[in-house]
Amino acid sequence: AQRVTQPEKLLSVFKGAPVELKCNYSYSGSPELFWYVQYSRQRLQLLLRHISRESIKGFTADLNKGETSFHLKKPFAQEEDSAMYYCALGNRDDKIIFGKGTRLHILP
Amino acid sequence: EAGVVQSPRYKIIEKKQPVAFWCNPISGHNTLYWYRQNLGQGPELLIRYENEEAVDDSQLPKDRFSAERLKGVDSTLKIQPAELGDSAVYLCASSDRTGRTGELFFGEGSRLTVL
Repeated sequence: AQRVTQPEKLLSVFKGAPVELKCNYSYSGSPELFWYVQYSRQRLQLLLRHISRESIKGFTADLNKGETSFHLKKPFAQEEDSAMYYCALGNRDDKIIFGKGTRLHILP
Repeated sequence: EAGVVQSPRYKIIEKKQPVAFWCNPISGHNTLYWYRQNLGQGPELLIRYENEEAVDDSQLPKDRFSAERLKGVDSTLKIQPAELGDSAVYLCASSDRTGRTGELFFGEGSRLTVL
């Protein structure tokens, strides 16, 4: 079965502190993992995908197949990072499912 | 480029009434998705189209939900009759499937309230 788990509904972090949003997945095949973000009053949009191996807005995520994880990290949080973050899993049939999301709240 | 356009943005109806949502994807995107997002939850896939063909409708409650994508462009999602539990945000997304899995571009969503 294809499943995405985001264990934290809310994560509060002080500005300048490191951020780690957790994501674990379950999939028997070769997964494609994504992080989507939804800022206040904006539409859901792609933040980054594992195959790109890039840093977007200071965020990175590494696919760990051994731990079936795809945690999102940023070394120094900024106030504009406050948003809802969704981890997503795509399979070979282009079915893309989402986790329940984590609300990141950056404290001043 | 306007992006994915959805209408209406908000809809309030009484239970047992019908409702329809419309989606215009990004030009050239052949893959279209409808998701439902309940409060505090992530988007849940209802149906996916490749051009005009529904290739994955396994999560669509077919007793009351229907969808169509005539000519492989615009799509309509209908609920008839609506139930209280259908209150949610209905999201449309499109993709051009660059590579094996393309980036999804989402609309602003249609928020449905069933009274």
